[in-house]
Amino acid sequence: ETGVTQSPTHLIKTRGQQVTLRCSSQSGHNTVSWYQQALGQGPQFIFQYYREEENGRGNFPPRFSGLQFPNYSSELNVNALELDDSALYLCASSPGANYGYTFGSGTRLTVV
Amino acid sequence: DQQVKQNSPSLSVQEGRISILNCDYTNSMFDYFLWYKKYPAEGPTFLISISSIKDKNEDGRFTVFLNKSAKHLSLHIVPSQPGDSAVYFCAASVGSNFGNEKLTFGTGTRLTIIP
Repeated sequence: ETGVTQSPTHLIKTRGQQVTLRCSSQSGHNTVSWYQQALGQGPQFIFQYYREEENGRGNFPPRFSGLQFPNYSSELNVNALELDDSALYLCASSPGANYGYTFGSGTRLTVV
Repeated sequence: DQQVKQNSPSLSVQEGRISILNCDYTNSMFDYFLWYKKYPAEGPTFLISISSIKDKNEDGRFTVFLNKSAKHLSLHIVPSQPGDSAVYFCAASVGSNFGNEKLTFGTGTRLTIIP
């Protein structure tokens, strides 16, 4: 399997709900990072996981949480959704230092 | 606080000419810089990078220049081709190796190559 696959591609949720976004990485990609890209902005770092442990976090509240699984898949969970959470969420994975990131195509989340 | 800035939201260049995309940063701790290219409905794709110990890095038609004293970097594409039309993001990180960096991105520049 090649590439980074994100699901779903589009999602509409209501304010206050919870959402889980999924990312499937290539075998051997031990590092996964999640980014939020609001309209007209660059991607913003949410957090990074390395071998199932959180390895750094950006300026996002605790209602943004993640998981990384042994099968190289990962999840981004967002609780108590707010209208400002509407954005494109990007997953990026890497086998480690000196190999670079591969980004997925993203999940576009709309909160209404 | 926008630590990485791309002040030109858009740029149009004639095919065959040079495209120059600019990026400024404010955090002096940044020591690794990257350029990504993004087509609609796709994720960003890595283009080229440069470490702060260098002031230039070349890869085919793409060259990145780093001016640490001015906290400025630029991406030169020559000659520009229609397939280069995309949004280009400048990104920076602190103390990371290629592949585990935590990136701070700029807001992007939309490059349009005119045939």
